[in-house]
Amino acid sequence: EIVMTQSPATLSVSPGERASLSCRTSQTVTNNLAWYQQKPGQAPRLLIHGASTRATGVPARFSGSGSGTDFTLTISSLQSEDFAVYFCQQYHNWPLTFGGGTKVEI
Amino acid sequence: EVQVVESGGGLVQPGRSLRLSCAASGFTFDDYAMHWVRQAPGKGLEWIAGINWIGGSVAYADSVKGRFTISRDNAKNSLFLQMNSLRLEDTAFYYCARDRTARMTAADYWGQGTLVTVSS
Repeated sequence: EIVMTQSPATLSVSPGERASLSCRTSQTVTNNLAWYQQKPGQAPRLLIHGASTRATGVPARFSGSGSGTDFTLTISSLQSEDFAVYFCQQYHNWPLTFGGGTKVEI
Repeated sequence: EVQVVESGGGLVQPGRSLRLSCAASGFTFDDYAMHWVRQAPGKGLEWIAGINWIGGSVAYADSVKGRFTISRDNAKNSLFLQMNSLRLEDTAFYYCARDRTARMTAADYWGQGTLVTVSS
């Protein structure tokens, strides 16, 4: 099983600032990586697939980068609605696996 | 509008069985793979099972392999999760999710989840 490690566990930022979230995999997943956002009491929302392709309707302030084992989700200028938990997920090998999440808070 | 709606959760004793269902609408069901993902209260996401568009390929997390079975009925636009030999640690919200493609990749539409509580 591919182990996903997200860091930091919590990221404290101010509105308007840039946030960078890291996801590392225990073995290469090439670009078979997705990012999700989850707000309290809500289902997850797909933000990024293929490591860098924004899902439909996702604002341009969200961008994904990386390949192999190191990936980054960047939020260029945090809006109030972006404070949430973010998860990465690999779909390179079965079983699919998620990272533990990064909470972005004020 | 794409919708997936889970049902079948509830309180169940350890060792017993439960069957979850997911009703899909607003899209051509047999064009897409489907997933079950769970989340224990206050914890992270755990992918537990997936099935390709036709049901010919299925995969499971090690934590549920041999106990849970994923299946689909394309004629009824429905996804199922048969859960046997339930354990306390299976307590979670269970989400049904549609894949972006016909095979197992990333999930682009999620239901609101159904809560399964395993307790004596």
